[in-house]
Amino acid sequence: DTGVSQDPRHKITKRGQNVTFRCDPISEHNRLYWYRQTLGQGPEFLTYFQNEAQLEKSRLLSDRFSAERPKGSFSTLEIQRTEQGDSAMYLCASSYRAGASNEQFFGPGTRLTVL
Amino acid sequence: KNEVEQSPQNLTAQEGEFITINCSYSVGISALHWLQQHPGGGIVSLFMLSSGKKKHGRLIATINIQEKHSSLHITASHPRDSAVYICAVHPYGGSQGNLIFGKGTKLSVKP
Repeated sequence: DTGVSQDPRHKITKRGQNVTFRCDPISEHNRLYWYRQTLGQGPEFLTYFQNEAQLEKSRLLSDRFSAERPKGSFSTLEIQRTEQGDSAMYLCASSYRAGASNEQFFGPGTRLTVL
Repeated sequence: KNEVEQSPQNLTAQEGEFITINCSYSVGISALHWLQQHPGGGIVSLFMLSSGKKKHGRLIATINIQEKHSSLHITASHPRDSAVYICAVHPYGGSQGNLIFGKGTKLSVKP
């Protein structure tokens, strides 16, 4: 399967713990996006990379959140000192075509539950 | 008011019915996406369009840029079409990475 993959699919953690999620984009895609989706809401943009450069971060991305894409391939999203409000589905997407109208391909998401 | 509004929020249909889901947006856009999200979270891109109409199988998407409105139609609906349908837009001149999403329309098709 050559689609976007995310790991883990589910994560349950206790408040205050750190968690890290991984996203593997479609191999030839140079852009990678992270979104967060809470129950009953549409996804919200968190950040995106072009190759290894992080080009934009949303105000939603507090200082407890950090994302990396060290070699321009897979990306990690880390949340430090998790809070119950961080419970959500974290979605990753990738795209290839440059410009504003690029089509994004989504991964299955990582569902985080903070107890 | 959200920049992307969808209606209805929930929709129940009988198998075989023609379905329409609407999306209105308040910003200038360069493209609009229709996405499908099944239980469990995975999102599939159905259409990306910036003008006119696109058709894929039983799905049809239209957009009216002047009216800032798009519709997604499903002909001969089937229970396997049950999912959340999400409209998302690329703001014109905005960040190249940033999609603005609607809250989604939950469709349930009964056999």
